[in-house]
Amino acid sequence: GENVEQHPSTLSVQEGDSAVIKCTYSDSASNYFPWYKQELGKGPQLIIDIRSNVGEKKDQRIAVTLNKTAKHFSLHITETQPEDSAVYFCAASQGGGADGLTFGKGTHLIIQP
Amino acid sequence: KAGVTQTPRYLIKTRGQQVTLSCSPISGHRSVSWYQQTPGQGLQFLFEYFSETQRNKGNFPGRFSGRQFSNSRSEMNVSTLELGDSALYLCASMDGLASSLGSYNEQFFGPGTRLTVL
Repeated sequence: GENVEQHPSTLSVQEGDSAVIKCTYSDSASNYFPWYKQELGKGPQLIIDIRSNVGEKKDQRIAVTLNKTAKHFSLHITETQPEDSAVYFCAASQGGGADGLTFGKGTHLIIQP
Repeated sequence: KAGVTQTPRYLIKTRGQQVTLSCSPISGHRSVSWYQQTPGQGLQFLFEYFSETQRNKGNFPGRFSGRQFSNSRSEMNVSTLELGDSALYLCASMDGLASSLGSYNEQFFGPGTRLTVL
């Protein structure tokens, strides 16, 4: 089955700086890669996703890149703000929105004022 | 539209008991998936239901089961509880069949049910 590795487990950045979280996946058949943000006491919320036919996608301060050959994808957050502090999860799946999304272990992003 | 709701939000049970958790998806959504979240294992897929049928299942023992009703509401049941079943149980709803090839609809997660087994 699919295996997703996520790094780092904790990331502390100064407010206004950029943050990068990286994930690798094992199943070359995976074609959908969402990123979720989970705040304390809440369920994960989709913040951006990318399909395998696209190399990069951007939405305001958030961007995701995908390298299918190397089987890795990354989340980039620019101009970080205090409200960006949360746990971020990457995931991979074959076929679409779920099909048993395989999640990374999460990255606790801390924005230092 | 109202979001995904899960009840109860918190549960405390003892080993050997059984528990039933409930999930109401977003109105119009027919797919409900369940996930277990623990600090050690992270988020793990349990199963997906669509149109009252289980369509996909993760690698969990038979003690974990579920069902879906005609109004798309779903329940999951855990029998003979073990200490290791303590976790946050999340459900996610989606418009369409999640495991369908080419389906890229967003999953919406509920706030979860925190289960503690003593």
